[in-house]
Amino acid sequence: GAVVSQHPSRVICKSGTSVKIECRSLDFQATTMFWYRQFPKQSLMLMATSNEGSKATYEQGVEKDKFLINHASLTLSTLTVTSAHPEDSSFYICSASDAAANYGYTFGSGTRLTVV
Amino acid sequence: RKEVEQDPGPFNVPEGATVAFNCTYSNSASQSFFWYRQDCRKEPKLLMSVYSSGNEDGRFTAQLNRASQYISLLIRDSKLSDSATYLCVPSNDMRFGAGTRLTVKP
Repeated sequence: GAVVSQHPSRVICKSGTSVKIECRSLDFQATTMFWYRQFPKQSLMLMATSNEGSKATYEQGVEKDKFLINHASLTLSTLTVTSAHPEDSSFYICSASDAAANYGYTFGSGTRLTVV
Repeated sequence: RKEVEQDPGPFNVPEGATVAFNCTYSNSASQSFFWYRQDCRKEPKLLMSVYSSGNEDGRFTAQLNRASQYISLLIRDSKLSDSATYLCVPSNDMRFGAGTRLTVKP
C-alpha cells in the first residue's frame, strides 16, 4: 500500500521562528498533496492543495505568505509555518495521492506543533 | 462551504451492535467517496472506497444513494476497537466534514 512519511512528528518552537514540515511519498508519485490543520476536538481543515511543479491553491482565509508550500518533486512536499505564533499551535497533517488515486488519499502521521 | 455533512454524534453502542452512519453531500457530480476512520490524535486511515455499486469489507458495508445524495456506512458486530471518528469525503474534493464519533462500549 501507499505510504506517506511526515516529519517531524512533534516540534516545539519559539514564537517568531519558522518551522518546516516535510511529507514524502515513499512508494508512489504524489501528484497531488493536501495540507490540513486540526485543532483539538475539531475537524480536519483543508489549508491548501498543491500539485507537483505548480503553485499551491490555498483555501479561503489561509495566508499563503505565512504557510509556504513547496511541491517541487513528485515525492516531496513541504509546509513552512513562518513567524509562528502560539495560535499556530495545532496538528498539521498532509495527504497525498497518485494521479489515479489508486490508493485513495494516504495521510502522513501528522506533526504536532507547539509554539511557545 | 461544506461538501459533506455528518451527524457528529456521539454514537454510543454496545459491543456486538449494528450501527449505521449517513453522510450527505452537496455536489451531485461526485462519483465516488472515501470513508476514513480517525483515532484520537492520529491521522485518518482509509477504511473503504465507495462507488456506485457500494462496497463491502467484512463487517463494514458502504453504499451510495445518488438520488438522495448520501453515502452510508454500516458496521455489524461492533468491536471495542471500532471506537473512532468516521469521516466521509468525495474523492474529487478532499474537504472533510466534522465526522461522526462512535464509541463502542463493553
